[in-house]
Amino acid sequence: AQRVTQPEKLLSVFKGAPVELKCNYSYSGSPELFWYVQYSRQRLQLLLRHISRESIKGFTADLNKGETSFHLKKPFAQEEDSAMYYCALSGSGAGSYQLTFGKGTKLSVIP
Amino acid sequence: KAGVTQTPRYLIKTRGQQVTLSCSPISGHRSVSWYQQTPGQGLQFLFEYFSETQRNKGNFPGRFSGRQFSNSRSEMNVSTLELGDSALYLCASSFWGNSPLHFGNGTRLTVT
Repeated sequence: AQRVTQPEKLLSVFKGAPVELKCNYSYSGSPELFWYVQYSRQRLQLLLRHISRESIKGFTADLNKGETSFHLKKPFAQEEDSAMYYCALSGSGAGSYQLTFGKGTKLSVIP
Repeated sequence: KAGVTQTPRYLIKTRGQQVTLSCSPISGHRSVSWYQQTPGQGLQFLFEYFSETQRNKGNFPGRFSGRQFSNSRSEMNVSTLELGDSALYLCASSFWGNSPLHFGNGTRLTVT
């Protein structure tokens, strides 16, 4: 069974402070990991995926297979980063056609 | 390019009734997935269709069903509605199914 855990429901940081949104997963094979974001009154959208190894809006995430983690990081938080963040996993084979989501972390950046 | 379109945006139904939700994917996308979002359970996978074939199904009762048409548009149906079916139902499309998903705004279903 595949599972994604985001331990923090709410994370508040001050503008300019570093941000780390935690994500741990459980999957027996080789998963693909994603971060999706939902800004206020907007639809859920992809922020980044681990195979791209790119930085989007200053965010990065590294897949750590040893610790089964895929934490999302940004060195300096901005007010526009306030949103709901979901970590998601897709498996292999038929499992690659579905995403298992974490419960989400609401990031609030305090001005 | 138009995004994923879901209709209707809001629905209010009574227990025992059935409901059909519609989803139009982004042009060229052949995979359509459905997810249920509730405050308690979060986002849960319902099913995924590609070229009119269901390739994967989540852990939901048989009251939840779906289909995909030749133009890639998809519908999902929930029969014999229960109060617990009240949720936001999200549709997402992608080229192959294992590529990044593009979500619609959802249909908010309320069962009374």
